[in-house]
Amino acid sequence: DIQMTQSPSSLSASIGDRIAITCRASQSLNNFLNWYRQKPGKAPKLLIYGASNLQSGVPSRTSASGSGRNFTLTISSLQPEDFATYFCQQSYSIPYTFGQGTKLEIK
Amino acid sequence: EVQLVQSGAEVKKPGESLKISCKGSGYSFTNYWIAWVRQMPGRGLEWLGIINPSDSETRYSPSFQGQVAISADKSISTVYLQWSSLKASDTAMYYCARLNNVLTGYLDYWGQGTLVTVSS
Repeated sequence: DIQMTQSPSSLSASIGDRIAITCRASQSLNNFLNWYRQKPGKAPKLLIYGASNLQSGVPSRTSASGSGRNFTLTISSLQPEDFATYFCQQSYSIPYTFGQGTKLEIK
Repeated sequence: EVQLVQSGAEVKKPGESLKISCKGSGYSFTNYWIAWVRQMPGRGLEWLGIINPSDSETRYSPSFQGQVAISADKSISTVYLQWSSLKASDTAMYYCARLNNVLTGYLDYWGQGTLVTVSS
């Protein structure tokens, strides 16, 4: 299985801040990397697919980049609804494994 | 509107069997694979496997092969996740989700989740 490692595991930030979460794969993913957000008690929601493509309806303050093994999710000007847990997922090779998650909390 | 509606919460004893469901609507059900994802209490997401509802082809994570069974009934647009003998360690929230494309692999719509509690 491809191992996915996110950093940091948790992050504190304030409304209006810009944050970045990184995801590293144990092998090259050819850009098959996706990002999800999960709020407490809710199902995950797709934010980004194919490393940098914004899912329909996701605010443009969310962006992502990367290639090969290293990827980054960036959220500029944090809003209250952005405080949640974020997961990366590789879809290059079955099983399509997830990172361990990054919990974004309000400072 | 695309929707995946899962069956309700279950409380079972170790050794019991269980089958939970996920019903799709608002799209052509047989055109999209469905995935099952596990989330143990306070933990991350684990990919169990996927099924093609049109022909019931399945692909499992090696970690879950033989532990669960995924099936589908396309006549009622429903996918299932089944255990023959539950363990306490199966206690988790289980989500179904639609694969936008089996090659791209991202999950664009999710069910609300089914909480399975296994306790003696």
